[in-house]
Amino acid sequence: DADVTQTPRNRITKTGKRIMLECSQTKGHDRMYWYRQDPGLGLQLIYYSFDVKDINKGEISDGYSVSRQAQAKFSLSLESAIPNQTALYFCATSAPGTSGFGGQFFGPGTRLTVL
Amino acid sequence: DQQVKQNSPSLSVQEGRISILNCDYTNSMFDYFLWYKKYPAEGPTFLISISSIKDKNEDGRFTVFLNKSAKHLSLHIVPSQPGDSAVYFCAAPSAYNTDKLIFGTGTRLQVFP
Repeated sequence: DADVTQTPRNRITKTGKRIMLECSQTKGHDRMYWYRQDPGLGLQLIYYSFDVKDINKGEISDGYSVSRQAQAKFSLSLESAIPNQTALYFCATSAPGTSGFGGQFFGPGTRLTVL
Repeated sequence: DQQVKQNSPSLSVQEGRISILNCDYTNSMFDYFLWYKKYPAEGPTFLISISSIKDKNEDGRFTVFLNKSAKHLSLHIVPSQPGDSAVYFCAAPSAYNTDKLIFGTGTRLQVFP
């Protein structure tokens, strides 16, 4: 079984709709992250959480919100989706202090299309 | 401000030859550098890293070279194999919060027979 899972894997929605992307992990990691990938822009950090009570904005948080329901679950919401939020979204996890040593583990991604 | 840059969006190499992927950075305070590999429909996976106190790190067919004076690193794959075809991202932990990674824009490598 995958250590980091994301649901749904693909989603097509319309402008103005509310969308939630979910991430679950079985690695027991405290740190969880949400990234988006756009062609030519690499991976950009949206939000990150260092534990259940600690949530922080990343570089591109506008238009997004998150919820850390438990150590193992981290959800990303688009309150009112817009077409330029069409992208690949990745969840990742890490243990403290390990990101520099390759310790971030990624889920398989969610492809979101906003029409 | 793009602190980690990959200026080549794509690279095509014949099987058996060397693949060289390049990455430049602007922040001299970075302590580590990483390469991630991403196949279609999958998340990125860690490939290899290098500490800023070293100039070379090797793992099988993969070698990363670091030139601190030029703020440049490169990933060498020798010999290249068709299964190496993927997108490669270089990354560095933020100097202010090492749990946050800063990624480059990626280079798509295609290895053809």
